[in-house]
Amino acid sequence: GAVVSQHPSRVICKSGTSVKIECRSLDFQATTMFWYRQFPKQSLMLMATSNEGSKATYEQGVEKDKFLINHASLTLSTLTVTSAHPEDSSFYICSARGQGTYSNQPQHFGDGTRLSIL
Amino acid sequence: SQKIEQNSEALNIQEGKTATLTCNYTNYSPAYLQWYRQDPGRGPVFLLLIRENEKEKRKERLKVTFDTTLKQSLFHITASQPADSATYLCALLMDSNYQLIWGAGTKLIIKP
Repeated sequence: GAVVSQHPSRVICKSGTSVKIECRSLDFQATTMFWYRQFPKQSLMLMATSNEGSKATYEQGVEKDKFLINHASLTLSTLTVTSAHPEDSSFYICSARGQGTYSNQPQHFGDGTRLSIL
Repeated sequence: SQKIEQNSEALNIQEGKTATLTCNYTNYSPAYLQWYRQDPGRGPVFLLLIRENEKEKRKERLKVTFDTTLKQSLFHITASQPADSATYLCALLMDSNYQLIWGAGTKLIIKP
C-alpha cells in the first residue's frame, strides 16, 4: 500500500520550455503533498507544501511564479517548471501523506523526475 | 536553526557484520525522528520512526536508537547484506511546525 507514482521519470528539454511533473497517490487519498528538490549528495530541499483545494505554501527563496503547483484532487498534484533554464536542472521528488494521518506520520515518495535543461 | 549531520563519507562494511550509521542534530530535540532508504535515482523509502520519549525501536534486522542528551540517533543493520547497500537519510520532525528537516544521507556499501 501507499504507492506514489511520479511522471515523467526523466525530461530533457530546451531552455525556455515549460515542464509539467505529475504526482499521483495510487491507493490512498493524500490531503497533503510535498515537492522537493535534491542535488547530488545533498539533502532533500523542501520547495513547497500543497494541500488539496488550496494554494501551495512555498518555502523561502522558492519562486511561486516559476514553480507552479496545483493540487486539484486528493490523488493528484502537479509541479510546472515554467520557462525552465539550465539552473533548474535537478532531481525533483514528490511525496504524500495520507488523508487523516497525523503530521508525524511518514511521507510516501515518488521515484523522482530527473530534469535536464539544455 | 536546526542542523542535521550525517557522515558524508561512504561507509564500507563486510557482509554479515553490523552497520551503524549516525545522525547528529543541533539545537532543539525533535518530536520524531525518521529513517529512510534511498537508492540511486529513486525516491526515499520510509524505514523506521522513533519518538523523543522512545529509546529504541526495532524492525527485523533494523534498530534505531534516540539519545536526546547526546542529540543523536544511531541506525543499525545487523547481519548486513549487499542488498542493504544504499543511501540512508535521517529526517527530524519538529514539534513547532511539523516540518521535516533532512540530513544529506550516508552511503552504505556492503561488500560480499
